[in-house]
Order: sequence, then C-alpha cells, then structure tokens
Amino acid sequence: QQQVKQSPQSLIVQKGGISIINCAYENTAFDYFPWYQQFPGKGPALLIAIRPDVSEKKEGRFTISFNKSAKQFSLHIMDSQPGDSATYFCAAKTGANNLFFGTGTRLTVIP
Amino acid sequence: NAGVTQTPKFRILKIGQSMTLQCTQDMNHNYMYWYRQDPGMGLKLIYYSVGAGITDKGEVPNGYNVSRSTTEDFPLRLELAAPSQTSVYFCASRPGRGGNEQFFGPGTRLTVL
Repeated sequence: QQQVKQSPQSLIVQKGGISIINCAYENTAFDYFPWYQQFPGKGPALLIAIRPDVSEKKEGRFTISFNKSAKQFSLHIMDSQPGDSATYFCAAKTGANNLFFGTGTRLTVIP
Repeated sequence: NAGVTQTPKFRILKIGQSMTLQCTQDMNHNYMYWYRQDPGMGLKLIYYSVGAGITDKGEVPNGYNVSRSTTEDFPLRLELAAPSQTSVYFCASRPGRGGNEQFFGPGTRLTVL
C-alpha cells in the first residue's frame, strides 16, 4: 500500500513555465513533508521541506503548498529551467524515523 | 567530508549467491537507512538504525540483513540473491535530534540473474 500518492508520473514543461507536482496522504501522524530531487545516476537530495503547521514555504523558485485539511501538498517550480530536469519525490515522515516516498515524477523542461 | 559513500557501484550476482553492500558515512550521524528503488515505485525502506548496535526492520526487510557495529558503517547483507532483489540500493544517514534531512549515497545498482 502506497502511503504517499504522487502525480503526475511524468511532466513536460517549457522553459520559463511553472511545474506542479502533487502528493496526497492519509496518515495524520505524518509530521514532516520533504521533497527530494534526483538526477540520473545520483542519490536523491533534499530540495525543500515543510511541517504541517505551515501552509506554504518558498525557497527561491521552489514553493511547497500544504493543505492539512485535504491531506495534500504540492511542489511548484516557477520559471522552470532545463537544469531542473530530474525526478522529484515527495515524502512524509512519522514521529519515528521512517520516510515514506511517493512514486516519483520525471520532469523534463524543454528549452 | 565525503558524506555517504557506497560500494560497489555496480554488481551482477547469480541466483543464490550472497554479497554485502557497504555503506559508510563520515558525518557522525546517528541514524542510517537502507532503501531500494525500483522503477515507478519510489524508494522503499529496507532496514534502519538509530545508533551503533541498534537496527530495525523497514517496509521490505525480507531477504536482507544488516548490522551496525560502528557509527560510521551500516552494511547490508543479501544471503540468497533472487531476481526480485534486482534494484538500485541507496544508503542514507541523518543526524538525529533536530535534523530531519536524510543524506543519500550515490547508490549501488544490483542485478540478479
């Protein structure tokens, strides 16, 4: 059973456009929601993260929007660049240690 | 700091063979993790450790074993390799209290034939 559901599976965006990736969860015990970025042949790396007591967090061109009542959160990439082409994973952590990952979104930004 | 290092980068095993995937971190992190990544499935937690001498199962522990004798090292053992264990394996670590970010190694691509 997938604890965190992620969509879309793949996304193609023009350079300068906005990329939006969505995730949903059911477990209300999750207390930390990170997004990881992974380039081919590399391990995932933390991009940005949010806690459920905050509705939005912005770091540069990357923004997480969090809707606690709907149990959904999303990643917005503004002014998408070819260098943003990668696979993005949302995740959620319980009060213990474990991260549950979404299935990933492969983003391609066309020049 | 080298961060999290994993060896080997690639390995091909025959069914029934055994091997150990090595993971070392030089950040003095208490928590360490092993994940497997399969296409379209995201990352699944195999085992984790909250400190030397302490390990626990994750979502998909069957067919694997771990040990944590030092803070730095967290090897993953496959005893009887099966085709279902063909995957990319990632090791990760995080500081513990006050630090939720997990730092990932570069991965080991394992093929079982």
